[in-house]
Amino acid sequence: GENVEQHPSTLSVQEGDSAVIKCTYSDSASNYFPWYKQELGKRPQLIIDIRSNVGEKKDQRIAVTLNKTAKHFSLHITETQPEDSAVYFCAADFGNEKLTFGTGTRLTIIP
Amino acid sequence: EAQVTQNPRYLITVTGKKLTVTCSQNMNHEYMSWYRQDPGLGLRQIYYSMNVEVTDKGDVPEGYKVSRKEKRNFPLILESPSPNQTSLYFCASSFGTSGVVGELFFGEGSRLTVL
Repeated sequence: GENVEQHPSTLSVQEGDSAVIKCTYSDSASNYFPWYKQELGKRPQLIIDIRSNVGEKKDQRIAVTLNKTAKHFSLHITETQPEDSAVYFCAADFGNEKLTFGTGTRLTIIP
Repeated sequence: EAQVTQNPRYLITVTGKKLTVTCSQNMNHEYMSWYRQDPGLGLRQIYYSMNVEVTDKGDVPEGYKVSRKEKRNFPLILESPSPNQTSLYFCASSFGTSGVVGELFFGEGSRLTVL
């Protein structure tokens, strides 16, 4: 069945360093891979997404890479800042009108 | 302002007492969905709807019902709530074109406690 695995579940990073979160998915038919950020007590919000015909996408300090052969994609945050502290969710659209989320990564930026 | 509105935001109820969580969006989105969020389990889909009068089960539909009589509204119904339905619930919507869900816009969440 459709499945998205996300690692690590928690991540602590010194302010200014980079953070990387990885996800793997089960179905090679997946074609859309978004990342959502959820700050404490808030709703999830889309921060970046990538489609299957692209290998990498950047938006200022965040980037997402996709390896369709290996069926994994990663979120990269550079020059981390305190406001990057949040829970991050990856997701995959398996083309069946459903968006399946990973279990989340709690990122803590240490000042 | 474009938004997804859920009510109530917080609710404490007792086992077996029927309740409805309302969800409304003003963005003319075709796709609407309900998720529940539990620690360590992420966001799990309960039900979704691609259009009016079209609904389908997600990954954890047991104990829930939905309806989509109007495009803007997608209520979540718990006919006989049980303690294992204590959770944080999110409604979300998107344009959902060409079979791809696309960017989901989430409501603020409804924290439900069933005693």
